[in-house]
Amino acid sequence: DGGITQSPKYLFRKEGQNVTLSCEQNLNHDAMYWYRQDPGQGLRLIYYSQIVNDFQKGDIAEGYSVSREKKESFPLTVTSAQKNPTAFYLCASSTRTDFGEKLFFGSGTQLSVL
Amino acid sequence: EDQVTQSPEALRLQEGESSSLNCSYTVSGLRGLFWYRQDPGKGPEFLFTLYSAGEEKEKERLKATLTKKESFLHITAPKPEDSATYLCAVQDEFSGGYNKLIFGAGTRLAVHP
Repeated sequence: DGGITQSPKYLFRKEGQNVTLSCEQNLNHDAMYWYRQDPGQGLRLIYYSQIVNDFQKGDIAEGYSVSREKKESFPLTVTSAQKNPTAFYLCASSTRTDFGEKLFFGSGTQLSVL
Repeated sequence: EDQVTQSPEALRLQEGESSSLNCSYTVSGLRGLFWYRQDPGKGPEFLFTLYSAGEEKEKERLKATLTKKESFLHITAPKPEDSATYLCAVQDEFSGGYNKLIFGAGTRLAVHP
């Protein structure tokens, strides 16, 4: 079945540590996105990529980094510069990027600070 | 500035008790309004896209409507399995050429037997 796979489901970060969240899709979608979800707030865009080897900052990119070396993969690294990383992280993809195409979401990664 | 406000924050219904969720939005120009359902600990699941005022879409017990300032998600005779958080999002037609959605905080719906 086609879909988006995020791993791990739960992740714990120690102070000063970088951690990487995995996102893989087999939908053959060009565009991929990372969102952050905090309780009581709407989803906020961290980074997005419209094509392999290209990505752009979203609204809250500080303290995060991404890569897009393969069409299927869009990993997110939460660096030690992100001082409040505890949140639910969602990866998404879509077929097109210039119109209101619906997003397909993964099942999320809950990141917590030890 | 684009903005999406959902109300109420939380709603408790008895099974069979119909109600509506509200999504008010402010955008320069609406390209599309989206409704998603999210179960606890999972990613949002797409429900509907609405593009222009007056448009309506239905799926089982859910019906979404759109005006120039807001959208409603009507739930008719809900069942406990309809319990979830319902998210509304809009895309501004001036969003700069990528699929940027502005999300509301969601409405948490609980349907009790």
